[in-house]
Amino acid sequence: DAKTTQPTSMDCAEGRAANLPCNHSTISGNEYVYWYRQIHSQGPQYIIHGLKNNETNEMASLIITEDRKSSTLILPHATLRDTAVYYCIVRENEKLTFGTGTRLTIIP
Amino acid sequence: NAGVTQTPKFQVLKTGQSMTLQCAQDMNHNSMYWYRQDPGMGLRLIYYSASEGTTDKGEVPNGYNVSRLNKREFSLRLESAAPSQTSVYFCASRRTFTDTQYFGPGTRLTVL
Repeated sequence: DAKTTQPTSMDCAEGRAANLPCNHSTISGNEYVYWYRQIHSQGPQYIIHGLKNNETNEMASLIITEDRKSSTLILPHATLRDTAVYYCIVRENEKLTFGTGTRLTIIP
Repeated sequence: NAGVTQTPKFQVLKTGQSMTLQCAQDMNHNSMYWYRQDPGMGLRLIYYSASEGTTDKGEVPNGYNVSRLNKREFSLRLESAAPSQTSVYFCASRRTFTDTQYFGPGTRLTVL
């Protein structure tokens, strides 16, 4: 299984870009990188996913290195509502394997 | 369109009691999943159902059974609850293999 490594916690000032790194050095060629977040104790919420190209949607951007061994989730203008635990996941077949994620705190 | 719904929201059981957690989705999704989340931990997959009529074990299936009743509903049963099953349980669904998973609000279960 491809595993991911994320910092335990990060702070970001409100209005700034939040950059959340993820290491997935054992990822295989056909595995996607997914990002989810969990606000308080709610169910996880999908953010974005990618294979090898950079991706952008209305919530965030995903930058994947050329060797695919790491990626960065970018929240361009963080708000207080972005305070959450962010999970970087490499998908294996039907299964999403969640680690402990990064607790992102947005500071007013 | 309610998405993924779960009942009950909260439940307290005594050791040895049984109960069934219910999950339903109205998005016509093929795959459904049950996860548990212990305090300070990520989610761990208990069971999943790739399509109606099929179920498969996930990472932590011991002590649980599941039923894919129809395309909409996927239930999780604890036959003899144990304190180690105290957790928050999340149900999720996905339309196809390439789609993302959508999660329900969770059921908070305490086993005394």
